[in-house]
Amino acid sequence: DAGVTQSPTHLIKTRGQQVTLRCSPKSGHDTVSWYQQALGQGPQFIFQYYEEEERQRGNFPDRFSGHQFPNYSSELNVNALLLGDSALYLCASSEGWEGQPQHFGDGTRLSIL
Amino acid sequence: QQQVKQSPQSLIVQKGGISIINCAYENTAFDYFPWYQQFPGKGPALLIAIRPDVSEKKEGRFTISFNKSAKQFSLHIMDSQPGDSATYFCAAVKRATSGTYKYIFGTGTRLKVLA
Repeated sequence: DAGVTQSPTHLIKTRGQQVTLRCSPKSGHDTVSWYQQALGQGPQFIFQYYEEEERQRGNFPDRFSGHQFPNYSSELNVNALLLGDSALYLCASSEGWEGQPQHFGDGTRLSIL
Repeated sequence: QQQVKQSPQSLIVQKGGISIINCAYENTAFDYFPWYQQFPGKGPALLIAIRPDVSEKKEGRFTISFNKSAKQFSLHIMDSQPGDSATYFCAAVKRATSGTYKYIFGTGTRLKVLA
């Protein structure tokens, strides 16, 4: 039974570019949340998707957008990349509207040059 | 902005000792308090969790103690082992207005268990 899978594992971009990160939830899970984890910090909530709609959003600018597909997989898009966007981006999935407990993938390490 | 304050930032324990990590929260409307363990290069993994109507929960060597009146909860790792060396995050989970749940994480504690 595959857990949460994320791709790519590592990514290097330059300032101003755009990036798309992908997430496949754990089998049976329909809710996907995205987090940004800076080095030495806890995960910061970006947004959450359920039934292909963004259900809640953290304190992140509109440069961060997302999408959920009918198969429950999800994408995180970041436009106009800044140096400060360098971080580990984590995807977490859960089952049902209740949303707990969340299971995390191993993340995508995004480096901005 | 709601916060979960976690301490200490780092912790060094001898093998066989007890590791204690503390968290405090600022809002009474939380429904669930999980702890996650994260190894380098990996995502956080759920370790143990507690609901606010319970004062203590134990799973193997891991115990959560919860003090609702003080708005504090802690993780105790008994008989700490070198393999427990990792970063530990507490979290507080609340129901958002949208009906879904929102996780608020602490800043993490880096635990090192000496052999």
